[in-house]
Amino acid sequence: EIVLTHSPGTLSLSPGERATLSCRASQSVSSSYLAWYQQKPGQAPRLLIYGASSRATGIPDRFSGSGSGTDFTLTISRLEPEDFAVYFCQQYGSSPLTFGGGTKVEIK
Amino acid sequence: QVQLVQSGTEVKKPGASVKVSCKVSGYTLTEVSMHWVRQAPGEGLEWLGGFDVEDGETTLAQKFQGRVTMTEDIYTDTAYMEMSSLRSEDTAVYYCAARPKWELLRERGSRYFDYWGQGTLVTVSA
Repeated sequence: EIVLTHSPGTLSLSPGERATLSCRASQSVSSSYLAWYQQKPGQAPRLLIYGASSRATGIPDRFSGSGSGTDFTLTISRLEPEDFAVYFCQQYGSSPLTFGGGTKVEIK
Repeated sequence: QVQLVQSGTEVKKPGASVKVSCKVSGYTLTEVSMHWVRQAPGEGLEWLGGFDVEDGETTLAQKFQGRVTMTEDIYTDTAYMEMSSLRSEDTAVYYCAARPKWELLRERGSRYFDYWGQGTLVTVSA
């Protein structure tokens, strides 16, 4: 099974700053089959990015994804107050589908 | 637009079984590929299994084989996840998550999830 590791575990930033979140896979993710989700307390995850770099419907363009192979990045260009949340990556290139443990983006 | 509405909180004793439901609206159940994901308190997400459009079968993560059953009632558009032999480590919020089948067939292998239920808390405690 592919293990996904996030770094950092917590990111403390101010609104307006740039956030760079990393997701590293224990083996190559085929066809860049990697997605990113945002989760706020008490809510279900929300799909942000699929195919490593494609934004889901309705996702603002301040969110962008990049990477391939084993290293993937989610970038939030300028943090808005509603962006403070936990972010998870998911690989769907092989079974079992797996998720990372998440990066928490908190207000500094 | 798919909406998924799950059943309510469950409290179970170790060794018991639980059955969580997920009702689909906006699409019919036969039009979506339904999966189940859980999240233990303060932890990440864990995939239990779901319907694989390409195989036409339900696939379970090996960890849950023999203990989890996923069924569908197409007449009420409701999916079910039943877990048996519950233990304290199964305490978690259980989510149903779906992707329209036509999207999966258009974009092969796209097993990510556009739509999620609100979650069902299952607490296992003596």
